[in-house]
Amino acid sequence: KQEVTQIPAALSVPEGENLVLNCSFTDSAIYNLQWFRQDPGKGLTSLLLIQSSQREQTSGRLNASLDKSSGRSTLYIAASQPGDSATYLCAVKRGANSKLTFGKGITLSVRP
Amino acid sequence: DTAVSQTPKYLVTQMGNDKSIKCEQNLGHDTMYWYKQDSKKFLKIMFSYNNKELIINETVPNRFSPKSPDKAHLNLHINSLELGDSAVYFCASSHASLDEQFFGPGTRLTVL
Repeated sequence: KQEVTQIPAALSVPEGENLVLNCSFTDSAIYNLQWFRQDPGKGLTSLLLIQSSQREQTSGRLNASLDKSSGRSTLYIAASQPGDSATYLCAVKRGANSKLTFGKGITLSVRP
Repeated sequence: DTAVSQTPKYLVTQMGNDKSIKCEQNLGHDTMYWYKQDSKKFLKIMFSYNNKELIINETVPNRFSPKSPDKAHLNLHINSLELGDSAVYFCASSHASLDEQFFGPGTRLTVL
């Protein structure tokens, strides 16, 4: 059974800092991994999707990496801003028609 | 706006009632999902439909019945509501070949 862990549960950093959010999963046989952002009281916004054959994906100040063999992914946020404050969730998928298994998320607070 | 939309946004009802939540996507996706996010913010898949066909059915009480009249709609009907059904329900969609999931804004269900 796939388990996805995100530690720590919460993180507070000053504005401008570069930071890394970690995600680990127990079963390395994944199809893809997706990072989402959730603002309070809102739905999830897809940030980056990494296919199992890829090592990383980039979008603006965000860079996500995937190391299947060690069961890890990281989301790197460059030059953090208060607007980046949100909960960040990672989710993995085992196969094409299988479900997404989510971690519990990391609540990020970027202090002005 | 191209998006995944859900109605209603809030739903407050008494135990034992039957209610429905509607979901529509105009992204041209062929796969739609229902997720439940509990009070601890943990997000879990309930159902997934591909081209109106059920492909994922997690261990969900049969009081929950999804209905997909066409590829753009996936509704969730809940019979005999219980206190434990209180949660935020999210609809999502994706294109099978691209797989990135896009979420609706959520429906907060409160059962009294």
